[in-house]
Amino acid sequence: EVQLVESGGGLVQPGRSLRLSCAASGFTFDDYAMHWVRQAPGKGLEWVSGISWNSGSIGYADSVKGRFTISRDNAKNSLYLQMNSLRAEDTALYYCAKDQFTMVRGVKTWGQGTLVTVSS
Amino acid sequence: QPVLTQSSSASASLGSSVKLTCTLSSGHSSYIIAWHQQQPGKAPRYLMKLEGSGSYNKGSGVPDRFSGSSSGADRYLTISNLQSEDEADYYCETWDSNTYVVFGGGTKLTVL
Repeated sequence: EVQLVESGGGLVQPGRSLRLSCAASGFTFDDYAMHWVRQAPGKGLEWVSGISWNSGSIGYADSVKGRFTISRDNAKNSLYLQMNSLRAEDTALYYCAKDQFTMVRGVKTWGQGTLVTVSS
Repeated sequence: QPVLTQSSSASASLGSSVKLTCTLSSGHSSYIIAWHQQQPGKAPRYLMKLEGSGSYNKGSGVPDRFSGSSSGADRYLTISNLQSEDEADYYCETWDSNTYVVFGGGTKLTVL
């Protein structure tokens, strides 16, 4: 069974940094691209970033470009999101998600999410 | 980059059918999309991948009541024999070769 377990969320002040992690199990991690998708309270889904199986292809939403960095460690079956210069509008539930393919081709499986709250 | 447009809400009676629409922006009418369901208080769930030809591939455990179809730039999700547990938000998603993914704004389905 595919499992994606996010961690690292919490309350952080504006302008500070936070690093999210996602532990993957139940599938061959380095066979799939991975994503971070967020959902602000009461709002819809917003794709944040995606990374191909070998980290050779990476993409970001315009809203986070230059502030967030996605990475993966295939040896540890883990996905990360380094979030810098956080803003109030980054407050959201952050989902780790598995793609359908090795390259970014759309979300297939979702984690349960970790909550990030940016507030002073 | 593609844009996906969905109606904000829809409603239908228990036991009836409903057809939700997701429209691709100009120049992207051939794109493949995916449908996801998000029940209240839960994480999203993948339903299916849907091609411009109308061919679709459902995720594991998705009931036969869920089906997909396409016409031009429109992609449809049809739910037959509506059940109370189908009351949820439904999102379409697409992607392009530039490592870019986008979700539609979502449709809130109410089962009457």
